[in-house]
Amino acid sequence: QTVVTQEPSFSVSPGGTVTLTCGLSSGSVSTTFNPSWYQQTPGQTPRTLIYSTNIRASGVPDRFSGSILGNKAALTITGAQADDESDYYCLLYMGGGTSALGGGTKLTVL
Amino acid sequence: EVQLVESGGALVQPGGSLRLSCAASGFTLSDYYMDWVRQAPGKGLEWVGRTRNKANGYSTVYAASVKGRFSLSRDDSTDSVYLQMNSLKAEDTAVYYCARLSIGSTYYFDNWGQGTLVTVSS
Repeated sequence: QTVVTQEPSFSVSPGGTVTLTCGLSSGSVSTTFNPSWYQQTPGQTPRTLIYSTNIRASGVPDRFSGSILGNKAALTITGAQADDESDYYCLLYMGGGTSALGGGTKLTVL
Repeated sequence: EVQLVESGGALVQPGGSLRLSCAASGFTLSDYYMDWVRQAPGKGLEWVGRTRNKANGYSTVYAASVKGRFSLSRDDSTDSVYLQMNSLKAEDTAVYYCARLSIGSTYYFDNWGQGTLVTVSS
């Protein structure tokens, strides 16, 4: 069974840039996987950030951007702010009509 | 305004069964695929399963971890989606979220419910 992989944790300085990635234990992520990204703070419902690889959801600041980097989907935060400290999850559309979520990346802004 | 409200979470013994409900409002349920996602305490999100829309025959797909034990259904006349969970295990303990999949072929969640807690313990 193919697993969706994400960095368990990452840290960034305020104002800095960070790129989180979303890969597969076997194979490459492409736009056909329709990668999307979600932000979740403790105790809250996930918030949709990016869909279809690089389209920002309504109300999402333009410091969040999505792309394909090499064989992975990527979420880049440019000019990180304190309230970007959250867990970030990617979702991929897999074969057989199923979807799969990555294990999440805990982002620390310090 | 789109709203998704889950209910039915409870404490249940291992091996038991439970049915969760998701009440949908603010949109035409029959047009949308609806998914369930869960989150164990202190852990990440896990995709559970999907019920497709009316145009796709309400077919269902499941994660390997729940296939054969969980089943999805829906009643568009009452704007509800259901998750029937059987043979529950301790590792099924989680907050269960109902989520609407975007219309079209973009396959992302455009709306989430607040979740309902299921605890499997003796």
